Amino acid sequence: GQQVMQIPQYQHVQEGEDFTTYCNSSTTLSNIQWYKQRPGGHPVFLIQLVKSGEVKKQKRLTFQFGEAKKNSSLHITATQTTDVGTYFCAGPEYNFNKFYFGSGTKLNVKP
Amino acid sequence: EAGVAQSPRYKIIEKRQSVAFWCNPISGHATLYWYQQILGQGPKLLIQFQNNGVVDDSQLPKDRFSAERLKGVDSTLKIQPAKLEDSAVYLCASSLENSGAAYNEQFFGPGTRLTVL
Repeated sequence: GQQVMQIPQYQHVQEGEDFTTYCNSSTTLSNIQWYKQRPGGHPVFLIQLVKSGEVKKQKRLTFQFGEAKKNSSLHITATQTTDVGTYFCAGPEYNFNKFYFGSGTKLNVKP
Repeated sequence: EAGVAQSPRYKIIEKRQSVAFWCNPISGHATLYWYQQILGQGPKLLIQFQNNGVVDDSQLPKDRFSAERLKGVDSTLKIQPAKLEDSAVYLCASSLENSGAAYNEQFFGPGTRLTVL
């Protein structure tokens, strides 16, 4: 069945270091969304990318959607302790009304 | 603006008992989702409603799980009978009406933490 995997599963960084999480889908996605879930909290929407090869930036966060619409990445420049949480990619399978979340990358930032 | 409301926040039951969760989406949101999130995993979509119709319930274990959204507003998710592996957080989310492949931003409620003993 459809799978959306993210690597790495965990990442521990020193404050100020950069961080990247990669999202890979076994099938083509219509679009990709990214969510952040703080410890003990619920997922909160960050951004959506729709077009093949699209790149969007939000302050220190850069999101990219692959040309084949099967992968995506989130890069955080100069991490801060407020970036702590689990980052999920998610999206609907192309031509199907089925929505999948990725396995998530848990980020810990040491001050 | 009020967010997505869920109740109860916590529930502890014994296996083979039944349980129900309630969700009230953001006003005006036509699409409602129920997710199961097991500790350390990503949310897994159980069922998606658009108004009071089911869009996708392919991952709902229909032998024990049921969900309804009778008037196209609030929704209930029921488990009967519960198993140990149903221990998880059950998240409800809502969004503006999706159109084809264009999925809108989802707003999540605080979730219900279910423990099955």
